[in-house]
Amino acid sequence: GAGVSQSPSNKVTEKGKDVELRCDPISGHTALYWYRQSLGQGLEFLIYFQGNSAPDKSGLPSDRFSAERTGGSVSTLTIQRTQQEDSAVYLCASSHRVGPQETQYFGPGTRLLVL
Amino acid sequence: QKEVEQNSGPLSVPEGAIASLNCTYSDRGSQSFFWYRQYSGKSPELIMFIYSNGDKEDGRFTAQLNKASQYVSLLIRDSQPSDSATYLCAVPLDRGSTLGRLYFGRGTQLTVWP
Repeated sequence: GAGVSQSPSNKVTEKGKDVELRCDPISGHTALYWYRQSLGQGLEFLIYFQGNSAPDKSGLPSDRFSAERTGGSVSTLTIQRTQQEDSAVYLCASSHRVGPQETQYFGPGTRLLVL
Repeated sequence: QKEVEQNSGPLSVPEGAIASLNCTYSDRGSQSFFWYRQYSGKSPELIMFIYSNGDKEDGRFTAQLNKASQYVSLLIRDSQPSDSATYLCAVPLDRGSTLGRLYFGRGTQLTVWP
């Protein structure tokens, strides 16, 4: 079946511009996560959606970052007034839970470069 | 703040050998542990997860968890060049949880040479 998809795969933008990154989770997965991976850094949690609950935004690095999830499916991560330090690979993951167990499946990521 | 520490490597082993990857964690309340593999330029994929002390085997992979010593390891038997990748250790950020947002280590780069 189809996995997690993300678009665009690459994005080059100028400092100060806004960008939108899209994630299509696996059908039926109720949880959706955004992470980012900077050069030489580990994967860093950004934001998490679970069903109809309010999102967990505790990982967002600044108020320039926001995300929404429409209809419990597609999610968009928006970065306003991009800065060079925002350059990273932005990864989306979705998951299903079976009791206490959960498996997160990652999309291919969006590579963002801010000039 | 949870911490997961991994030796960044690179770890280099010959084909057919056992590769041993280690991860230590700081929060004694951590309940579950995940190993992801990430090929260069690709996204992470889950290899194994482990919740209980001891060993868990899946094909050529064995995860070992020692909660008393706060380490989790991944053994790869009969290593193949296709195993060359970065291996990421992860724990749930929420203390005592087996679910939810994950904290990832920086990964260990493994190279298996023919």
